[in-house]
Amino acid sequence: KAGVTQTPRYLIKTRGQQVTLSCSPISGHRSVSWYQQTPGQGLQFLFEYFSETQRNKGNFPGRFSGRQFSNSRSEMNVSTLELGDSALYLCASSLDANYGYTFGSGTRLTVV
Amino acid sequence: GQSLEQPSEVTAVEGAIVQINCTYQTSGFYGLSWYQQHDGGAPTFLSYNALDGLEETGRFSSFLSRSDSYGYLLLQELQMKDSASYFCAVDSNYQLIWGAGTKLIIKP
Repeated sequence: KAGVTQTPRYLIKTRGQQVTLSCSPISGHRSVSWYQQTPGQGLQFLFEYFSETQRNKGNFPGRFSGRQFSNSRSEMNVSTLELGDSALYLCASSLDANYGYTFGSGTRLTVV
Repeated sequence: GQSLEQPSEVTAVEGAIVQINCTYQTSGFYGLSWYQQHDGGAPTFLSYNALDGLEETGRFSSFLSRSDSYGYLLLQELQMKDSASYFCAVDSNYQLIWGAGTKLIIKP
């Protein structure tokens, strides 16, 4: 079966711009989570959605937002980009919490 | 605060056995997961322990002691392809709280 698909794979943006990243989970998976990975901070939780409802949100500023659609696909948006937002953004899907998560290949965002 | 501690780097010889330890301190706990990540790749799920004891999956085993807030990942018959970073992560309140990762270096 198809894995978790994230688009785009690479992105270069300028400070102050906004960006939208997309994630298509494994068919049948209703839980979608987003993580930011940087060399300095490691993997940090952004938010988790289940059946279009956000069940938890990490400690990120309000510039980071997300949503999930009825087909379980998810998007995350970052507005007013800062240099420190440069990172690998990973999406993971699961049947539900407490199961193993399958990660997509990630979107590498570079802010210049 | 919430934290997971694991060694930053472990070196082992091909064919040997290596154990990567993880201690955690979190406000909620549903289970302990282990993930493998090769350079430039995405994390890959290895195992999940919700209850105390040992879980075995092929060459990999994972152990959990909830009373000690401790777990470990055991890799047997090491192969060069096992060279990667290994992360422990606590499943808590619909999120994974991650350790900083252990870089496993395997020498021939």
